Amino acid sequence: DAGVIQSPRHEVTEMGQEVTLRCKPISGHNSLFWYRQTMMRGLELLIYFNNNVPIDDSGMPEDRFSAKMPNASFSTLKIQPSEPRDSAVYFCASSFGGRNEQFFGPGTRLTVL
Amino acid sequence: SQQGEEDPQALSIQEGENATMNCSYKTSINNLQWYRQNSGRGLVHLILIRSNEREKHSGRLRVTLDTSKKSSSLLITASRAADTASYFCATGGSNDYKLSFGAGTTVTVRA
Repeated sequence: DAGVIQSPRHEVTEMGQEVTLRCKPISGHNSLFWYRQTMMRGLELLIYFNNNVPIDDSGMPEDRFSAKMPNASFSTLKIQPSEPRDSAVYFCASSFGGRNEQFFGPGTRLTVL
Repeated sequence: SQQGEEDPQALSIQEGENATMNCSYKTSINNLQWYRQNSGRGLVHLILIRSNEREKHSGRLRVTLDTSKKSSSLLITASRAADTASYFCATGGSNDYKLSFGAGTTVTVRA
């Protein structure tokens, strides 16, 4: 089992550019989560999908952030335009059923200059 | 928002010693989970304890849950250098899916 796959692992971009982060959840899992981790704010849930449908996006910071899950094996988190304060590590996690243990990907370290 | 709060923030112990860390939370929960994060890596699930359970074991890990005090503890016995990591508690409430993570306890195991 490959686990949750995220790409890219590192992304450095300039302010104003569009950034797209990608996630492939574990096969068979029906819940997918996007988190952001920073030293200041810790680990924050951005958005939760269940069966490819966004259930809770209350953690998405602002309209610059959007997430999609076109099918059960792929999700994207897009930031447009990016700002330096978006610099963080972004994690994708999946689980079978929302209440159970979550399996995290290795994360994408985003640096916005 | 971070519901769980770990204590202490940092812990340094000698290899072979036990490490204990605590987690306190504010609202009622469905379950409480502990995760480990090695530097530069994603979180790894360690153990889940449900609100109707009081104690759970997994290998060298022992977790307790006291819902009356809204607190949990994680004990790592006979620590090893590989246990050096940050440990997070996460509480799951009535919303099922939403986990609230604490700020974590950084554990350093000295050889």
